[in-house]
Amino acid sequence: QVQLVESGGGVVQPGRSLRLSCAASGFTFSNFGIHWVRQAPGKGLEWVSIVWFDGSRRYYADSVKGRFTVSRDNSRNTVFLQMNSLRAEDTGVYYCARDSGGDYDSSNNYYSLGSDYWGQGTLVTVSS
Amino acid sequence: DIQMTQSPSSLSASVGDRVTITCRASQNIGKYLNWYQQKPGKAPRLLIFAASTLQIGVPSRFSGSGSGTDFTFTISSLQPEDFATYYCQQNYRTFGQGTKVDIK
Repeated sequence: QVQLVESGGGVVQPGRSLRLSCAASGFTFSNFGIHWVRQAPGKGLEWVSIVWFDGSRRYYADSVKGRFTVSRDNSRNTVFLQMNSLRAEDTGVYYCARDSGGDYDSSNNYYSLGSDYWGQGTLVTVSS
Repeated sequence: DIQMTQSPSSLSASVGDRVTITCRASQNIGKYLNWYQQKPGKAPRLLIFAASTLQIGVPSRFSGSGSGTDFTFTISSLQPEDFATYYCQQNYRTFGQGTKVDIK
């Protein structure tokens, strides 16, 4: 069965770094894009980043651009989220999720048909 | 950036009620609107993609409609396991603020 397992969360001081991992199993990992989505305590969902199935494209929310970097290792079925210059507002549960696929338009813009499998999440707390 | 406005932010309903949630995009997003359910302490679950297509395994009491900027999510007859928070999402990016459905 499809499984995504996040790890690497913890308590970190503002300005420091943390690297999250998302280990996948039960499907052909190299065929699917992977998202990171976060949720601050008691708040809604916020999309963070996506990495294409082959790592060729990566996009970020404005709130993390320049501080976070997503990457993947298809030989290890794992996606990483390197988080630098962490702020208090980065605190929350971080989920990885599989992109189910989608459509491209004539300008090569991608339109997703949703995230069909999610991990259980890993908690990141940024606090002094 | 495209903004998503979801309403209401919360509602109270009884088992058997029909529940409707709306989501409005700040610009035309075609059919690329997804709906998720989230229960406390759990990851979100994809219910509907492309505005109206039911994800495999999702009960038929859930439905979605709309295109362009205005979208609707409906639960035709609320069941006890449906009490949760529901989110819309445009494409793979912006989520709506969420709608918490609780027991009246």
